Amino acid sequence: GEDVEQSLFLSVREGDSSVINCTYTDSSSTYLYWYKQEPGAGLQLLTYIFSNMDMKQDQRLTVLLNKKDKHLSLRIADTQTGDSAIYFCAEIPKAAGNKLTFGGGTRVLVKP
Amino acid sequence: GAVVSQHPSWVICKSGTSVKIECRSLDFQATTMFWYRQFPKQSLMLMATSNEGSKATYEQGVEKDKFLINHASLTLSTLTVTSAHPEDSSFYICSVGQPNQPQHFGDGTRLSIL
Repeated sequence: GEDVEQSLFLSVREGDSSVINCTYTDSSSTYLYWYKQEPGAGLQLLTYIFSNMDMKQDQRLTVLLNKKDKHLSLRIADTQTGDSAIYFCAEIPKAAGNKLTFGGGTRVLVKP
Repeated sequence: GAVVSQHPSWVICKSGTSVKIECRSLDFQATTMFWYRQFPKQSLMLMATSNEGSKATYEQGVEKDKFLINHASLTLSTLTVTSAHPEDSSFYICSVGQPNQPQHFGDGTRLSIL
């Protein structure tokens, strides 16, 4: 079945690295995504990784994909107060057409 | 620049009113758009898939007569919450995406029914 899970909350000090973890069950997805949601706003696509890649780096963001364990992580280097938000991982299982399956979201709080 | 425009961003209205929310694809023609609902501190729940020129596909448990979806053109889908009641108060978000490409989301509409 389709299930994407994330930890609920992460607190980190400004300047430290944040690591947000996600596990998924459906290995058929071509891409896996990370979205950011700030309070009262829609979702902003942060980054995504092709399923045959192990790692993708984009400025302060590093995505790691372990297909064997069905584990996805997002690392934010030099975390800033503006990174405080909810982060959702998501996938589109092949059987789901173009429909996203979301994790429950991880609330990241960056303390000065 | 923005890929998706959603309007209005915030609506407050009386119980029994019908409310229409618009979702526009700005960058490409979208045969499919998606409507989500989000409760406070929760993830997004897919309500329906809006299909251009045909009926929307609703997820299980979503009342199609309550949440009317119209996708009359390749750049516009509308969601109408009919005879809204306080329990319909929520954050509604649309998304647009081409097959095998990331989906882009609107800024959401906060609906408050008094």
